[in-house]
Amino acid sequence: DADVTQTPRNRITKTGKRIMLECSQTKGHDRMYWYRQDPGLGLRLIYYSFDVKDINKGEISDGYSVSRQAQAKFSLSLESAIPNQTALYFCATSEGPLETQYFGPGTRLLVL
Amino acid sequence: KQEVTQIPAALSVPEGENLVLNCSFTDSAIYNLQWFRQDPGKGLTSLLLIQSSQREQTSGRLNASLDKSSGRSTLYIAASQPGDSATYLCALAEGSYIPTFGRGTSLIVHP
Repeated sequence: DADVTQTPRNRITKTGKRIMLECSQTKGHDRMYWYRQDPGLGLRLIYYSFDVKDINKGEISDGYSVSRQAQAKFSLSLESAIPNQTALYFCATSEGPLETQYFGPGTRLLVL
Repeated sequence: KQEVTQIPAALSVPEGENLVLNCSFTDSAIYNLQWFRQDPGKGLTSLLLIQSSQREQTSGRLNASLDKSSGRSTLYIAASQPGDSATYLCALAEGSYIPTFGRGTSLIVHP
């Protein structure tokens, strides 16, 4: 089984809808991250969490919120989806600040 | 603000060639630098991690070097194979320990 899983893998939604993307990890890492990837723009950090009680905004947090339900689970919500949030979303984990990041397979989101 | 640049953006080579991918950065006060591989529509897989005190790391046919003074890292792939075709991204961690990613180099190795 994969160490970092994301659900759903693909999602199509309409403008104004609220959606949640979920991430689970079995690596026992405290640090978890949400990124979005757009063609030509690379990966940009949305939110990150160093432990269950420590959640921080990243470079592009506007329009997003997160919840760290447990060490193993980190969810990303789009409160009111808009078309420019169409992107590939990745969850990642790491053991410590200078350790390797492990990525999930991604969620492809299309907002119509 | 740290800027990470990867040149070239795309590269196509025949199988068997040795090749070098480049990653440059503007602020040398980094803690580490990672090279990742991304296959189309898939997540990122870490290839090599170089701590700031190190000059290079090797794994199989891959060798990554780090020169903080010049703000450069290179990923050397020896004897390239079609299976090496992917996008390669570098990412570096600095004061906040949060990685900053380059936009990647898309590599195609044709038979």
